[in-house]
Amino acid sequence: GAGVSQSPSNKVTEKGKDVELRCDPISGHTALYWYRQSLGQGLEFLIYFQGNSAPDKSGLPSDRFSAERTGGSVSTLTIQRTQQEDSAVYLCASSLAFQGLNYGYTFGSGTRLTVV
Amino acid sequence: AQSVTQLDSHVSVSEGTPVLLRCNYSSSYSPSLFWYVQHPNKGLQLLLKYTSAATLVKGINGFEAEFKKSETSFHLTKPSAHMSDAAEYFCVVTKDSNYQLIWGAGTKLIIKP
Repeated sequence: GAGVSQSPSNKVTEKGKDVELRCDPISGHTALYWYRQSLGQGLEFLIYFQGNSAPDKSGLPSDRFSAERTGGSVSTLTIQRTQQEDSAVYLCASSLAFQGLNYGYTFGSGTRLTVV
Repeated sequence: AQSVTQLDSHVSVSEGTPVLLRCNYSSSYSPSLFWYVQHPNKGLQLLLKYTSAATLVKGINGFEAEFKKSETSFHLTKPSAHMSDAAEYFCVVTKDSNYQLIWGAGTKLIIKP
């Protein structure tokens, strides 16, 4: 597609429920990143994909968080047993392999997750 | 370890006056540096980048930033603010892993008419 697409744009869920957040990167972008933006703070790195593999999962805050990417394209971030502290905007970005270093990343509009 | 400090959480200027958003970084190597802008209810957009070429970098919408290694700074400037510049601005530095970005906490730019 023309840009990075994320869905849903907003999600309200009850504490303890599981949620899935979807990211559809720009066609041909092999690198995909998930970030979390909490209110009044900068972005927090969660996980990075190169193709379908995730060389670095160190940013995932707990084992309740997982992500996968299939076909080198769409990625899903899953949060199990959601907690109120998971409330944030979850941003996805993609880039042409390591081009992101030199040319920046293209970000989606994010999914605003609210856990009540 | 790399880090980024945006010295002001809010900056308020009058339309037509200069803008200065301050950013200091620390890095054990020569990083790449970026400024991103986030307008309300919109996605993040790359304003400009420094990647070890010219130290004065020009970006979109009349913004520019100067990389000063001796001061470890990468301040963002614009000669004349426009109402449409009202947004949150993030200073970003690459981590030595070469694929992670370290983000500042952001500076909210307010433009007074």
